[in-house]
Amino acid sequence: NAGVTQTPKFQVLKTGQSMTLQCAQDMNHEYMSWYRQDPGMGLRLIHYSVGAGITDQGEVPNGYNVSRSTTEDFPLRLLSAAPSQTSVYFCASRAGGSYEQYFGPGTRLTVT
Amino acid sequence: QQQVKQSPQSLIVQKGGISIINCAYENTAFDYFPWYQQFPGKGPALLIAIRPDVSEKKEGRFTISFNKSAKQFSLHIMDSQPGDSATYFCAASSKAAGNKLTFGGGTRVLVKP
Repeated sequence: NAGVTQTPKFQVLKTGQSMTLQCAQDMNHEYMSWYRQDPGMGLRLIHYSVGAGITDQGEVPNGYNVSRSTTEDFPLRLLSAAPSQTSVYFCASRAGGSYEQYFGPGTRLTVT
Repeated sequence: QQQVKQSPQSLIVQKGGISIINCAYENTAFDYFPWYQQFPGKGPALLIAIRPDVSEKKEGRFTISFNKSAKQFSLHIMDSQPGDSATYFCAASSKAAGNKLTFGGGTRVLVKP
C-alpha cells in the first residue's frame, strides 16, 4: 500500500492565483482530513470528510474548498491564494472504527 | 483559543537522558490523547496514545503520564537517542465531536550525541 499520497510536494503561487492540492489514499478509509501546519501552532484542521459526498468545515476553512467524489481522493482547492496561506499542508485519513490517523508527506506552499 | 497547550517549544537533551514534554487541555469531553512524532520533511506519525481511564501507558522507551483531575498529560522519552530528534505533537479528541484531533503547538527535540 502507498498509504496517503500528496501532490505536489512544493508549490509557489502568486497572490490571487488558484490551485488544487491533491490527496489520495489506498486504504479504503472513510475519514479524510486536511490540516495546515504553521510554526508554533501545531496542525489546524481545515476541512474533513466522513465519506464520499460528505464534507464539513474544520477550524480554519476560509479560503479553501473541498469535495469528495470518491473514497480515495480528497482534493483541497485554494480559490484565490493569499500570503497568509503560506504553510505546509497535510492530508490524513483513518478508518471508521479507528482513532489512528495516517498522514501524507505534506505539500509546502508559498504564496508571494 | 488554543484548547491544547504544549510546552516547551523546544528542548535539547544529551544522549541517554530523559525528555519530558507537557500538555494541558481545557475540554473535559476529550477522551483520546495521542502523541505524534514528525521527522523533517515527513508527515506526523502516531507514536503512542492513552485514554483517560488509565494514568500511565508505556511502549518501549516512551511513556505517557495522564492526570485527569489536572487536565494534563505528558510524554517521557527515556534513554533518549539521536534518532529520537524530531518534533512531537500532543493532541486530543472527543467521540462527541466526531473524533476530530486538536493539536498542541509542537515541541522540537534535539538529542545530542
